[in-house]
Amino acid sequence: EAGVAQSPRYKIIEKRQSVAFWCNPISGHATLYWYQQILGQGPKLLIQFQNNGVVDDSQLPKDRFSAERLKGVDSTLKIQPAKLEDSAVYLCASSLAGKFMYEQYFGPGTRLTVT
Amino acid sequence: GEDVEQSLFLSVREGDSSVINCTYTDSSSTYLYWYKQEPGAGLQLLTYIFSNMDMKQDQRLTVLLNKKDKHLSLRIADTQTGDSAIYFCAESIKGGGNKLTFGTGTQLKVEL
Repeated sequence: EAGVAQSPRYKIIEKRQSVAFWCNPISGHATLYWYQQILGQGPKLLIQFQNNGVVDDSQLPKDRFSAERLKGVDSTLKIQPAKLEDSAVYLCASSLAGKFMYEQYFGPGTRLTVT
Repeated sequence: GEDVEQSLFLSVREGDSSVINCTYTDSSSTYLYWYKQEPGAGLQLLTYIFSNMDMKQDQRLTVLLNKKDKHLSLRIADTQTGDSAIYFCAESIKGGGNKLTFGTGTQLKVEL
């Protein structure tokens, strides 16, 4: 079974530029998550989708971050414009459903450096 | 509120047992998890425990939960060099869907 795929793996941009990350979850997984992991910290949930609807985006900085999951499969996370403090690893995860104890499977992440 | 804390670093010798500790504040936790993160890789679920349990054993892994003190620990028996990684505890809370709140992570270094 293929795992969660993410691209690109690494991205370096200057502040005020835009960037987009892509995630392809495990086939059949209805729930998709984006986490931000700042160096030295644990991952923090940015947004959770159930199919193509948003379940939780309470910690998403909506003035600069946006995410979509058209057709309930792939998802993109965008930052526009980027700030220095956005430097982090962005992790995508998926699970069969959005209730607790459906295991979340994580992708390898995209490491973003903002200079 | 949700707050999960861990010590930052642990060093052990190969063959010894490792104990990684975690404290959490939300008394409505339903499941508590241990994840492993190796360099350049995503997080891998190692084990989990339901909040009404005290202990769970899975091969070399033993999870202990003290709900009164809101303390969770992960014991790795016969620690190997391949166990070197960052270990995160995480909690999900009742009514929180499947949202995970992670601790800061403990870096385990296994020395020969």
